[in-house]
Amino acid sequence: AQTVTQSQPEMSVQEAETVTLSCTYDTSESDYYLFWYKQPPSRQMILVIRQEAYKQQNATENRFSVNFQKAAKSFSLKISDSQLGDAAMYFCAYRSRGSGSRLTFGEGTQLTVNP
Amino acid sequence: EAGVAQSPRYKIIEKRQSVAFWCNPISGHATLYWYQQILGQGPKLLIQFQNNGVVDDSQLPKDRFSAERLKGVDSTLKIQPAKLEDSAVYLCASSSIGPGTDTQYFGPGTRLTVL
Repeated sequence: AQTVTQSQPEMSVQEAETVTLSCTYDTSESDYYLFWYKQPPSRQMILVIRQEAYKQQNATENRFSVNFQKAAKSFSLKISDSQLGDAAMYFCAYRSRGSGSRLTFGEGTQLTVNP
Repeated sequence: EAGVAQSPRYKIIEKRQSVAFWCNPISGHATLYWYQQILGQGPKLLIQFQNNGVVDDSQLPKDRFSAERLKGVDSTLKIQPAKLEDSAVYLCASSSIGPGTDTQYFGPGTRLTVL
């Protein structure tokens, strides 16, 4: 079974600075998807960024980018120019490539953005 | 495009009572998921439907939880009887099927408190 580990329960960053959230995963599969979701206090799970394992290029979405290291099974999220609205719980998630496969989530990292 | 709808948003019940949650997925999404998120943890899949059929219910406590998806659209998740440990947020998500449709979109969740 796949597992996802987020070793940082809490992180903080100053507004306009850069922060990196860590995620590692364990799998025997070679093709899969990885995601970062953001969950603000409203509890709505919002997709931040996705990465396909067969693509070597790291995904980027505006101020959010990932560092995907397939051999190391590492998938970190970098948030540049942090904004107050980025404060939330961030979850890393894994999904097998088969259609409709479940998401396996990490335990989450609570990000605080200080003004 | 309307997102995933869930109701109610909040529910408080006594232990041993029954409760039901409703989910309406994004129009045209064939796959529907119910996740349970206990406070301080990542979501855990309870059940996955593809159209009317159950794809994965391996983590559903079948002695007390049940779910159905009539006509392949709306879904209802029921707990009967509820236990204290069922206090959690219940998230519904949906996704399309086929190539490039790997992303799951989440509803706002139902927060259940069992007293």
